Amino acid sequence: GAVVSQHPSWVICKSGTSVKIECRSLDFQATTMFWYRQFPKQSLMLMATSNEGSKATYEQGVEKDKFLINHASLTLSTLTVTSAHPEDSSFYICSARRGAGNTEAFFGQGTRLTVV
Amino acid sequence: QKEVEQDPGPLSVPEGAIVSLNCTYSNSAFQYFMWYRQYSRKGPELLMYTYSSGNKEDGRFTAQVDKSSKYISLFIRDSQPSDSATYLCAMSGGAQKLVFGQGTRLTINP
Repeated sequence: GAVVSQHPSWVICKSGTSVKIECRSLDFQATTMFWYRQFPKQSLMLMATSNEGSKATYEQGVEKDKFLINHASLTLSTLTVTSAHPEDSSFYICSARRGAGNTEAFFGQGTRLTVV
Repeated sequence: QKEVEQDPGPLSVPEGAIVSLNCTYSNSAFQYFMWYRQYSRKGPELLMYTYSSGNKEDGRFTAQVDKSSKYISLFIRDSQPSDSATYLCAMSGGAQKLVFGQGTRLTINP
């Protein structure tokens, strides 16, 4: 299967600071990338969908000014958690989909964010 | 009613048993069906990808889709302790976002 690399795998930051998470498709061009949040023992909650070169589409209830998404190239999307608070502590996962009409989605390893 | 229903388990079976995991859904527009395996604190790993109805086999894994019943299954033969994980079904109608089931926690006991 295709490889999606997410970095960092874990991060601890102080309350009020910003954290950037990177998601890269290593062996394919990803026209669409997705960002999810996952709480313990729960399924994935879609936060936003990003298409290369355009603004991300956020799901209802997700603050776009707090969770900044940039999809500057066909192989890289970033999620920046701004002014992080302890309640933002969670497991964040990205996924990437190849091309239009191909809905196989491949996931990164996930990033465990802890805000102290 | 959720778009995709999946029994969260937990499901515990002895090593070597055949495991059956299932999801039901309500949206008849879904055409693409996937099964993911997720180990603790890791991202989901794509196991099976199926378009429309039918069966697909890959090693010890078999995916079945019955669109008339809006029911999909994943079978694991000769289950191993390393198969212990959470299994997520996911589906979409094409160029749309994936809709996930809740995930089933599976434990294979040696």
